[in-house]
Amino acid sequence: QVQLQESGPGLVKPSQILSLTCTVSGGSINRGGNYWSWIRQHPGKGLEWIGYIYYSGSTYYNPSLKSRVTISIDTSKNQFSLRLSSVTAADTAVYYCAKDGFGVPLDPWGQGTLVIVSS
Amino acid sequence: QSALTQPPSASGSPGQSVTISCTGTSNDIGGYDYVSWYQQHPGKAPKVIIFEVTKRPSGVPDRFSGSKSGNTASLTVSGLQAEDEAVYYCSSSAGTRLFGGGTKLTVL
Repeated sequence: QVQLQESGPGLVKPSQILSLTCTVSGGSINRGGNYWSWIRQHPGKGLEWIGYIYYSGSTYYNPSLKSRVTISIDTSKNQFSLRLSSVTAADTAVYYCAKDGFGVPLDPWGQGTLVIVSS
Repeated sequence: QSALTQPPSASGSPGQSVTISCTGTSNDIGGYDYVSWYQQHPGKAPKVIIFEVTKRPSGVPDRFSGSKSGNTASLTVSGLQAEDEAVYYCSSSAGTRLFGGGTKLTVL
């Protein structure tokens, strides 16, 4: 079955760019109908959807983060990535990737990766 | 403030039933049958337990059930067990994906 795994730096300095990659295994990322999402969870808080990318490369972002977010896809590597610019301490969170789709649930999820923004 | 509104906490004794509500608008919950519920244990990733309002993924006990009326969706956990203690999130996925703020379910 499809599995997802996040990877990237666990520590990012303020004002810099947070970059994470999600590697998809057990299935092709290049399959119609599948969207691929990033979600984050601030420490002790609820879930916040960041955005998703379709296999074709079209994207949709949370309006509250849109100006700082870029999600891209590399079908040759079966990966999709998140870039969040101008980070502050408020971006400290566990970042999850998940398979998504219009009208379908987020399933499966990656295990999550904690990113701390600190100098 | 979350887009979907959930009570912050709920509780029940083993064997009892508990219902958690999730209120949105006619643009999300009320307009589409694309409501899902997620269970999250401490330190773990969320796991889907209900999708399309009432459907259960394979492997999810039938003690978990979902429903919807107007702009409010509900998750009912029947026959509470200790392992049901977790945080539950609702979500709507019609275009923009929305989450509720989460409800911590305590099994007394």
